[in-house]
Amino acid sequence: DIQMTQSPSSMSASLGDTVTITCLASQDIGNYLSWYQQKPGKSPKLMIYGATNLEDGVPSRFSGSRSGSDYSLTINSLGYDDEGIYHCHQYYEYPNTFGAGTKLELK
Amino acid sequence: EVQLVESGGGLVQPGRSLKLSCAASGFTFSNYYMAWVRQAPKKGLEWVATISTSGSRTYYPDSVKGRFTISRDNAKSSLYLQMNSLKSEDTATYYCARQWGRQGYFDYWGQGVMVTVSS
Repeated sequence: DIQMTQSPSSMSASLGDTVTITCLASQDIGNYLSWYQQKPGKSPKLMIYGATNLEDGVPSRFSGSRSGSDYSLTINSLGYDDEGIYHCHQYYEYPNTFGAGTKLELK
Repeated sequence: EVQLVESGGGLVQPGRSLKLSCAASGFTFSNYYMAWVRQAPKKGLEWVATISTSGSRTYYPDSVKGRFTISRDNAKSSLYLQMNSLKSEDTATYYCARQWGRQGYFDYWGQGVMVTVSS
């Protein structure tokens, strides 16, 4: 199975900051990588697909990038609405696997 | 508007069975792969099953293979998950999700339904 190593597991940032969350894939997954945001008690929401494509309706402050087997989600101009848990997901092959999640809190 | 509404969760004893349902609306159900994803309390997401548009192909991780069966009724725009021989580690919130193709991300999710396996 493909392992997705996500970091950090949690982070705290200030309003207006830029933050980056990363996922390292244990083997090649091409651009078959998506990112989800999950608020407490809610279902996940698709943010990024194909490693770099912004889902419709998602603010342009969110962006995805790839460098080799490293995938990153960057959030610019952090706002309170960005708090939550972020999950990466590889869908290159079955079984699909997720990262362990990153909890983002605002100071 | 795409809507996915799960039902059928609850408390069940280890070794018993439970069947989850997901009612879909707002899109042409038969055109999409569908999936179940679960999340144990305070844990990350785990993919559980995927089914092709016609239902002829299904995919499972080893953790549920042979115990869970995903199925669909395109005439009713409904997705199902039959869970047999339940274990305590199956305790989780189960989400129904629309999948974008055979090799696809999950673009819409239901609100989730809780399954608790305990004696």
